[in-house]
Parts: sequence; structure tokens; C-alpha cells
Amino acid sequence: GDSVTQMEGPVTLSEEAFLTINCTYTATGYPSLFWYVQYPGEGLQLLLKATKADDKGSNKGFEATYRKETTSFHLEKGSVQVSDSAVYFCALTSGGYNKLIFGAGTRLAVHP
Amino acid sequence: DAGVIQSPRHEVTEMGQEVTLRCKPISGHDYLFWYRQTMMRGLELLIYFNNNVPIDDSGMPEDRFSAKMPNASFSTLKIQPSEPRDSAVYFCASRLDRTQYFGPGTRLTVL
Repeated sequence: GDSVTQMEGPVTLSEEAFLTINCTYTATGYPSLFWYVQYPGEGLQLLLKATKADDKGSNKGFEATYRKETTSFHLEKGSVQVSDSAVYFCALTSGGYNKLIFGAGTRLAVHP
Repeated sequence: DAGVIQSPRHEVTEMGQEVTLRCKPISGHDYLFWYRQTMMRGLELLIYFNNNVPIDDSGMPEDRFSAKMPNASFSTLKIQPSEPRDSAVYFCASRLDRTQYFGPGTRLTVL
């Protein structure tokens, strides 16, 4: 079945460091891909998305490119801030877009 | 837009009691989803509705769990009777096109 694999955390960085969180997927058809972020005690917020191959999603300095050839959707940010500390979830649509399949989540901790 | 609204935000109850969680989706969204999040199992899809009709409830763990959507602006998830292993954060999400938008969640603690 469809699945998402994320790098295990926690990822610990200093402020202004470069961030990469790896995400690869297995899917039939042409899924849409998403990154959600969950801050402590809150729900999941949509961070960015891409709906077809080679699309780049971007928001708040974060970027991810839909790579069909490598089945990847890695999240990047050039300079992280303490306020970016959260859990990041990679996800894809499955079952005719009706379901979201989530990765296990990657916890990011950014220190001043 | 107010986003997806869930109530209560926190619920503490005793084993055996009935618990009802509520959700108001974003207006105009045609799908509604209920999820459960725990440290052990992560995010689990429990059930989802399309135009108020339950489509897939295969994720509902037991008959103790039931969900309804009487109209386009309201859904409930009920647990009766509740058990300590039901303690989790329960999220509601609504969807337009391919994108799901999540509510803030209800943190349920069953003692």
C-alpha cells in the first residue's frame, strides 16, 4: 500500500542553520504531497503542498519539490529560527485523494 | 474564516463514562475526517464523511466508537463507554479539493 517515510528525529539545529528533512514515498498513481507542521499543544497546520511532478511548494521560507523520479519531497529552509521548533509531517493523498497517509513525523528543535 | 472548530479542547473523564467530541468544519468543505493521535501509534484515521455520508469507518477501533454528521456544519465522535486506552488527542479535519485543514484537537484523558 501507499506509504511515507521520514527521517527520524529529533533534529537539533542552531538558529540560522540550514534545514533538510527527508521524505520519500511509495504510491500508485499520482498523489499530491504535503508538509504539515504541528507546534506544541496545537493541531496540524498545512505548511506547503505540491500536486504534480516537479512542482515546488513554498511557504514561510520553507520549500519542497515533488520529485517523481526519486519519489521524494524533502523539506528545506535556508535559515531556521527558534520559532520553527515543531514536529513536521510529510503526507500524501491516497485512495483517490480521499485519505492522507502521514509519515511518523520529525521533531525539530532550534536553539539560539 | 474561523477554520475548523472543535470542542471541548480538553476533556477529563472517568472510565465507563460517555464522551462526545464535537466538530464544525470549514463552510463549503465537502469532506470531514476524524483522526486520533497518540505517541505510540501516531496519527490514525478513524472515519471520514463526504457530503455528510460516512464513507469509510474501517479505522474506528471498536463498537464503542461512533460518529455522526447530521448536517454539513456539525459532526460528533462519541465513545461509550470510555476506557483509559482511549486517552489521546482527537482531531477533526475538513477538506476542499485535495487539501485537508485540521482543527486544534481535543485532548481526552480517561482516568
